[in-house]
Amino acid sequence: AAGVIQSPRHLIKEKRETATLKCYPIPRHDTVYWYQQGPGQDPQFLISFYEKMQSDKGSIPDRFSAQQFSDYHSELNMSSLELGDSALYFCASSLSVRMNTEAFFGQGTRLTVV
Amino acid sequence: DAKTTQPPSMDCAEGRAANLPCNHSTISGNEYVYWYRQIHSQGPQYIIHGLKNNETNEMASLIITEDRKSSTLILPHATLRDTAVYYCIVRLIYNNNDMRFGAGTRLTVKP
Repeated sequence: AAGVIQSPRHLIKEKRETATLKCYPIPRHDTVYWYQQGPGQDPQFLISFYEKMQSDKGSIPDRFSAQQFSDYHSELNMSSLELGDSALYFCASSLSVRMNTEAFFGQGTRLTVV
Repeated sequence: DAKTTQPPSMDCAEGRAANLPCNHSTISGNEYVYWYRQIHSQGPQYIIHGLKNNETNEMASLIITEDRKSSTLILPHATLRDTAVYYCIVRLIYNNNDMRFGAGTRLTVKP
């Protein structure tokens, strides 16, 4: 079965650079979630989208932005990168028409800022 | 304020049942209890969810107290591959938001 695809899997950037992370949800899933997980920490919710509209917002820095496109894939744009942005970034997707279904997670993008 | 409280760590012997508790004393009538787990830096994996009745699937059982203020995830025969961090999440019914992780329980299954 198709899963959530994240790209790239690994990314190395320098401070003050920008990065774009991509998430391709499971086919027909219309809701996407983004999470940041620092070393030894629990996943922190950043933002979510439903039908291309932002549906919930968590602790996403102002330097970050995200959107969901017409094909339901999503991109997380990160600017002015800081060392503290080094983390695993997870994307998850779910199908909203089935209420209270589970969210499926991708394998994550490991971002290292040097 | 965190909606759930879980012990930071637990051990379990291989082959025995692992019982992971979660306190959600402020849960409202329109909130479900979900459980996920994360195996060493992999993406979190859904396990089970429930509203007020006990639930069972191929992975685990979920026991929710009658007052719904706490629940227990049961892995009936824990294996070494069940070593992971387990997260209990409370989410609103008919709402695809509130997918927030708190501090989970690190379960270590020992041979």
